Amino acid sequence: DAGVTQSPTHLIKTRGQQVTLRCSPKSGHDTVSWYQQALGQGPQFIFQYYEEEERQRGNFPDRFSGHQFPNYSSELNVNALLLGDSALYLCASRQGVVGYGYTFGSGTRLTVV
Amino acid sequence: AQRVTQPEKLLSVFKGAPVELKCNYSYSGSPELFWYVQYSRQRLQLLLRHISRESIKGFTADLNKGETSFHLKKPFAQEEDSAMYYCALGDFGNEKLTFGTGTRLTIIP
Repeated sequence: DAGVTQSPTHLIKTRGQQVTLRCSPKSGHDTVSWYQQALGQGPQFIFQYYEEEERQRGNFPDRFSGHQFPNYSSELNVNALLLGDSALYLCASRQGVVGYGYTFGSGTRLTVV
Repeated sequence: AQRVTQPEKLLSVFKGAPVELKCNYSYSGSPELFWYVQYSRQRLQLLLRHISRESIKGFTADLNKGETSFHLKKPFAQEEDSAMYYCALGDFGNEKLTFGTGTRLTIIP
């Protein structure tokens, strides 16, 4: 089992562009959460998806959107990129809505220039 | 609002010495607390959670609701304990984890 898989691993975008990050959850997991980790900070919750719906959202602007597919994989989209969006984006998955045991991916390093 | 504070960004401890990584939290409900660890070039992984009351790799953490703390402890540090440690607070249903800024633990041989 490869665990949580994220792609791409690194990405460089220009300010104002749009980006899509992808996540495949661990086998058997159906809930996916996304986190942003800025340099020197802990991960910050963006949103969570379950049954293809956004269940909870953190303090992020509408430029950040997501999607979950029937196979439980997920995408994170960021529009109108700002320099401040440069960060490591982590995907975490688990089975079910309530419970523990989040499994994290290795992340996508996004650099906005 | 949920908040997790890890006062030490860096902590160096000699091998064989006791380790304590501090974590304080702020939450109005009944908290669920976790410690996550990230070893060099590895992904973030769950170390332990307070509800399990377990010891993982010699580490323990006790939830003190009076002091709103969840400090991570180990009686004898080992070199392989060198890593980044994050304390995290789960809201009701643990849909959202709030992380502290992390403590980088270095074990000195």
